[in-house]
Amino acid sequence: QQQVKQSPQSLIVQKGGISIINCAYENTAFDYFPWYQQFPGKGPALLIAIRPDVSEKKEGRFTISFNKSAKQFSLHIMDSQPGDSATYFCAASKITDSWGKLQFGAGTQVVVTP
Amino acid sequence: DTGVSQNPRHKITKRGQNVTFRCDPISEHNRLYWYRQTLGQGPEFLTYFQNEAQLEKSRLLSDRFSAERPKGSFSTLEIQRTEQGDSAMYLCASTRGSGEKLFFGSGTQLSVL
Repeated sequence: QQQVKQSPQSLIVQKGGISIINCAYENTAFDYFPWYQQFPGKGPALLIAIRPDVSEKKEGRFTISFNKSAKQFSLHIMDSQPGDSATYFCAASKITDSWGKLQFGAGTQVVVTP
Repeated sequence: DTGVSQNPRHKITKRGQNVTFRCDPISEHNRLYWYRQTLGQGPEFLTYFQNEAQLEKSRLLSDRFSAERPKGSFSTLEIQRTEQGDSAMYLCASTRGSGEKLFFGSGTQLSVL
């Protein structure tokens, strides 16, 4: 039972373009929503995270949009660069349970073409 | 920080054999997590420790799996009587306190033949 559903499975974007990845969750008890970036042969690395008390969070070229009523959140990568080519995972957890006990989506492979 | 270290990086074993992986977390990180990741999927939570205490085990963790963190520092994950379905990347992560940011290691890739 996948509690976090992620789409698309893959996307190709030109350098300078915007990458958008979407996630939907089932469990309304989730209250922590991070995005992780993973390069081949490496473990995931935290990119940006949001709590449900805000609708948007921006860090550099990365923005999370959060819609609590729709139980959806998305990652926007602005001005995409070839170095952004990686697999991106959304995740969710209940803080009272453990921040680190994460339910991950299946991942989106992003390829940024020069 | 030297990062989370996992050994070995790769392990090839025959079905039925036992294997053990080691994770060295970032110094002074008291929480340590184990995840499993199969090709094309996101990591799945297996278990976690606060210091030496194992606080939770996922239902994914069958009786053939056991994890320890004897002195609250490094951790080991043992799989007994390996099966082909155990083939996956085993990831370890650590954090300070109930910290928000998990630091993942590069994982141990297990192949069961």
